Amino acid sequence: ETGVTQSPTHLIKTRGQQVTLRCSSQSGHNTVSWYQQALGQGPQFIFQYYREEENGRGNFPPRFSGLQFPNYSSELNVNALELDDSALYLCASSLGDDREDTQYFGPGTRLTVL
Amino acid sequence: AQTVTQSQPEMSVQEAETVTLSCTYDTSENNYYLFWYKQPPSRQMILVIRQEAYKQQNATENRFSVNFQKAAKSFSLKISDSQLGDTAMYFCAFMSPNFGNEKLTFGTGTRLTIIP
Repeated sequence: ETGVTQSPTHLIKTRGQQVTLRCSSQSGHNTVSWYQQALGQGPQFIFQYYREEENGRGNFPPRFSGLQFPNYSSELNVNALELDDSALYLCASSLGDDREDTQYFGPGTRLTVL
Repeated sequence: AQTVTQSQPEMSVQEAETVTLSCTYDTSENNYYLFWYKQPPSRQMILVIRQEAYKQQNATENRFSVNFQKAAKSFSLKISDSQLGDTAMYFCAFMSPNFGNEKLTFGTGTRLTIIP
């Protein structure tokens, strides 16, 4: 157990809808990163939040947005869902103030878009 | 941009044997970090081992060790005395320490099955 939690565990949405995924970071960690893992592939970096500011973004469209709260928990929002958004969404937290940080992952949210 | 390649999509080995998973990467940076993560069927990504590029000594964690060859950009994982609980997907990952670019770049994974 890493201490990183995610909710919900599973989610089913229809194309065009909007979804919010949540992540609570490990105690003491101020950085949260989000990844999308399609079936049979390695995770792809979406973006990272450090002390409530976006600190890097991968090759994802603007309909993927995020937020980090003062307690360092985070949300991932996806608007106008597409079928290809079906994936496992992983969040990872890290200490953040040390550039050598290791990222510790939560159990993931499985999103299915119909 | 960094890339990570895992050329073995699947491997299987008898329980108690030793297995080595391969990983190569491409980067122009001199300082970086490499990781092996394990993802069992429960799907939670679990850190196995970490290596700093500036350290010449190969990292070890109990039954897990790496062979880090910086010049060859190779980072293989050796699992000794394999156990049934080692059955999982294994991902090699690269991370730059540069602020604003601290993302993990993953390979496509190797599915490892330990046979009783």
